[in-house]
Amino acid sequence: QSVVTQASSASGNPGQTVTISCLGTSSNIGTTNFVYWYQQFPGAAPKLLLYRNSLRPSGVPDRFSGSKSGTSASLVISGLRSDDEADYYCAVWDDRLNAVVFGGGTRLTV
Amino acid sequence: QVQLQESGPGLVKPSETLSLTCSVSGSSITASYFTWIRQPAGKGLEWIGRIFDGNIDYNPSLQSRVTMSLDTTENRFSLRLMSVTAADTAVYYCARDSPLGEGNFQHWGPGTLVTVSS
Repeated sequence: QSVVTQASSASGNPGQTVTISCLGTSSNIGTTNFVYWYQQFPGAAPKLLLYRNSLRPSGVPDRFSGSKSGTSASLVISGLRSDDEADYYCAVWDDRLNAVVFGGGTRLTV
Repeated sequence: QVQLQESGPGLVKPSETLSLTCSVSGSSITASYFTWIRQPAGKGLEWIGRIFDGNIDYNPSLQSRVTMSLDTTENRFSLRLMSVTAADTAVYYCARDSPLGEGNFQHWGPGTLVTVSS
């Protein structure tokens, strides 16, 4: 059972917008700690998708955006493409556990 | 360009110790937090622990069995997980975090599968 929860699956049609959410607690997302988002394709290592809640590393399209409010964080993917099909994970430092905690992951189907 | 590469036995017997090494190029291992993360087949990511300049933090659920260390001469860091069971079978990744150690894993190794079986 993850400390930070995500829906196990999400789906959308090409061109649509999908939101993937992470629900945390007052010791992780509910603090000033930043949320990070990762994209993982089968058989590959995760790739950093968003850092510090909403910033995109070089090379990540602006179709990917993020936000944080209270004890939840969201990843929004607009203009869905078939190659967005992947697993998406959020990660955040937990002040009570003194550990990085990952959400359980959301499998996106396009 | 920062590159990480995990190495170690792919098969470990139950009750024995899993030992992995992560070789780092393009970045000094004294410049940032370095981390181990694992992923059982078909499951999510689990943070194992981090190490930076003598500061070490472990996942509370693994703390009694895990040890991480730095080898500054070879610019690599290591993981030891004792008393393994089948539940420790997973792909193990090493990754570089920021100096703040906040979960900013911009660089990952390709991962190495470790199977615990007799």
